[in-house]
Amino acid sequence: TQLLEQSPQFLSIQEGENLTVYCNSSSVFSSLQWYRQEPGEGPVLLVTVVTGGEVKKLKRLTFQFGDARKDSSLHITAAQPGDTGLYLCAGQRGNTPLVFGKGTRLSVIA
Amino acid sequence: GAVVSQHPSWVICKSGTSVKIECRSLDFQATTMFWYRQFPKQSLMLMATSNEGSKATYEQGVEKDKFLINHASLTLSTLTVTSAHPEDSSFYICSAREAGRGYGYTFGSGTRLTVV
Repeated sequence: TQLLEQSPQFLSIQEGENLTVYCNSSSVFSSLQWYRQEPGEGPVLLVTVVTGGEVKKLKRLTFQFGDARKDSSLHITAAQPGDTGLYLCAGQRGNTPLVFGKGTRLSVIA
Repeated sequence: GAVVSQHPSWVICKSGTSVKIECRSLDFQATTMFWYRQFPKQSLMLMATSNEGSKATYEQGVEKDKFLINHASLTLSTLTVTSAHPEDSSFYICSAREAGRGYGYTFGSGTRLTVV
């Protein structure tokens, strides 16, 4: 059973389009993090959300943590080819290790 | 910011040999480090939690005698894949978190292991 369900798994869009990636769970998390991974490299932290209902913005990326701290979303506005990569959500409960979703492989076509 | 250095970035070895992967926290101390395995086009799977000065905690299904973890200092954890087989070929990634710097983890750049 996957603790964190991430969708969609694959997404191919044209440059300039908007997209949203979802990360859902039946469990409550103390924090939820979003990472981006390029091929052959380790994940790089984009943002951490810790408060229910929290919204954080990072340029064209908007991250939201659900009120119940069970889900999160990542919205990208006006996607660019440089946004191409694997986006991973990861949740933490207390002091237990991070749990990763299966990831969303985004391809932005120029 | 916190930096985690992983070495080597790639290695090719023969079946039956052992390979050691190093993970270093360069500018902070890490009492706990984590080792992940990632198959092509898949997410990260936690293998074990490395604890400085004590035994590692392995996830269910991970053979502790095959994947030896040593965390002898606050800045270094090593993963040794013993008697490697082609099915051990994968991308191995370590991570650590600097205490007091928030919730985010820093990941190494990964090691691509190919067993031939």
